[in-house]
Amino acid sequence: GQNIDQPTEMTATEGAIVQINCTYQTSGFNGLFWYQQHAGEAPTFLSYNVLDGLEEKGRFSSFLSRSKGYSYLLLKELQMKDSASYLCAVRDSNYQLIWGAGTKLIIKP
Amino acid sequence: NAGVTQTPKFRVLKTGQSMTLLCAQDMNHEYMYWYRQDPGMGLRLIHYSVGEGTTAKGEVPDGYNVSRLKKQNFLLGLESAAPSQTSVYFCASANGLPTGELFFGEGSRLTVL
Repeated sequence: GQNIDQPTEMTATEGAIVQINCTYQTSGFNGLFWYQQHAGEAPTFLSYNVLDGLEEKGRFSSFLSRSKGYSYLLLKELQMKDSASYLCAVRDSNYQLIWGAGTKLIIKP
Repeated sequence: NAGVTQTPKFRVLKTGQSMTLLCAQDMNHEYMYWYRQDPGMGLRLIHYSVGEGTTAKGEVPDGYNVSRLKKQNFLLGLESAAPSQTSVYFCASANGLPTGELFFGEGSRLTVL
């Protein structure tokens, strides 16, 4: 079967750095996505990785290792507004998205 | 600047009742999707469409039907609602590859009693 694993919940301090991990086992691979979802709101696109390595976008970076079936989302200089769930999703060989259950990130002052 | 709009935002149904959720997008996207989101689970694909007049089943299609008569609209129907269909439903659209990022509607919270 296909599976995406990410921690259920993480806590971090305002101003700090946090890394949210995602491991996957899917039928083929055609890209990995990270989405942010604030409570009661819709998911919004953060990043897309299809090749190994690090993609940086402001305070957010996403890393991919296809050989290890592993990705992480790195959030720097955490702000209270970063409190949200972070969803990892992999596009499989049929170009369908397989979603993880999400990591709820709690930011404390 | 509407993007993806879903109606209604909230609905309470009794078991056995029917209803339709409407999704409208103004970005001229080819691909449209209906997902459900339940606590502790990832988004699950119900049905999707790769263009006007086309529909296909996703991971959890039972109990739902869809139609895409116009490119900008994607309707999700529940013919006979069941308590197991209590969920938050998200519509999304995408412009296609290579990135294919999804643009989501605000969600529709459905409760079936």
